[in-house]
Amino acid sequence: AQRVTQPEKLLSVFKGAPVELKCNYSYSGSPELFWYVQYSRQRLQLLLRHISRESIKGFTADLNKGETSFHLKKPFAQEEDSAMYYCALSGNTDKLIFGTGTRLQVFP
Amino acid sequence: GAGVSQSPSNKVTEKGKDVELRCDPISGHTALYWYRQSLGQGLEFLIYFQGNSAPDKSGLPSDRFSAERTGGSVSTLTIQRTQQEDSAVYLCASLYGGVKTEAFFGQGTRLTVV
Repeated sequence: AQRVTQPEKLLSVFKGAPVELKCNYSYSGSPELFWYVQYSRQRLQLLLRHISRESIKGFTADLNKGETSFHLKKPFAQEEDSAMYYCALSGNTDKLIFGTGTRLQVFP
Repeated sequence: GAGVSQSPSNKVTEKGKDVELRCDPISGHTALYWYRQSLGQGLEFLIYFQGNSAPDKSGLPSDRFSAERTGGSVSTLTIQRTQQEDSAVYLCASLYGGVKTEAFFGQGTRLTVV
């Protein structure tokens, strides 16, 4: 079965501090992993996907198959990063499963 | 259209009534998902349509919930005999092709059962 775990409901940091939002997954095959973000009063949107190996808005995420993790990182948080972040996984059934989300608060 | 459109934006209904929630996906997108978003529960998968294949209904919480997609486009999520625990934001997403592509979300329907 596919499962995504985001252990932190809330993460609060000050501007300029490093950020790591944790995501662990459970899947027996080769997963596709994503981070989606929802800013206040906006729609949920894709932030990045592991297959692209890209950095978006300074965020990166590396797939660690040994630890079954896909943590989202940014070296210097900005106030505009405050949002709800969801980790998502899809397997060979194409079902896209989300975690419970982590709210990131960046204080000035 | 410019994006995924859901209607209504807000719905208040009395316990026991039936409700229908509508999703208009982006034209040409073959895949469509419904999710339920509630505090502390994240995005709960409900149902998934892909082209002409049989839908994956494994996330529907009870037989009061059903969904259909007509002509491979518009989808309707129906909740019969609503209960207070059905109160949540219901989100629809469409994708062009398989799930490795980006999911585009609607603005959601906030359902309140009183």
